[in-house]
Amino acid sequence: EADIYQTPRYLVIGTGKKITLECSQTMGHDKMYWYQQDPGMELHLIHYSYGVNSTEKGDLSSESTVSRIRTEHFPLTLESARPSHTSQYLCATQAGGDEKLFFGSGTQLSVL
Amino acid sequence: AQSVTQLGSHVSVSEGALVLLRCNYSSSVPPYLFWYVQYPNQGLQLLLKYTSAATLVKGINGFEAEFKKSETSFHLTKPSAHMSDAAEYFCAVSVGGGYNKLIFGAGTRLAVHP
Repeated sequence: EADIYQTPRYLVIGTGKKITLECSQTMGHDKMYWYQQDPGMELHLIHYSYGVNSTEKGDLSSESTVSRIRTEHFPLTLESARPSHTSQYLCATQAGGDEKLFFGSGTQLSVL
Repeated sequence: AQSVTQLGSHVSVSEGALVLLRCNYSSSVPPYLFWYVQYPNQGLQLLLKYTSAATLVKGINGFEAEFKKSETSFHLTKPSAHMSDAAEYFCAVSVGGGYNKLIFGAGTRLAVHP
């Protein structure tokens, strides 16, 4: 069954650590997105990709980086985590020409 | 620039009562508008979308929304709430009116009481 997988589901980590949040999809979609979600706040787009080797920064400035070496994989990396990075990170995909977004279950990141 | 405002971060209704979740948008071009629902520990799921066809849009689980250009609104309604409707609901507008990036509102958490 086609799906979107985000790992880990929860992550608690110390300040200064390097972390990578994984997002994989078996939907075959070209477009992928990373959103950051804080309680009571808007979802903010932080990165997106329209295909392999294509990555763009979103509307919200983020210290994270992304890569898109394969269609199905869109990892997000924080080189040095800080408490201000504590948030929920949602990965989404979108088929070309179709506006519906499919979301993963998210990664809840806590940086101590 | 496009933006979305959801009025009321928390809404509480009784089971069987009308559900009304408010959403107002700002867009410099004809908007594409969406409602998403997020159940606890799950990703967002599309409830319904407006893409310049019929102004009254019907979605899943008995929800519907009406696009009102004069009021720049896209409120979500359901005639009779069910306990299973308890979730967080997000209104969103697409950037540039097309099928690409979505801008989301802050969300409204719906509680349903017996």
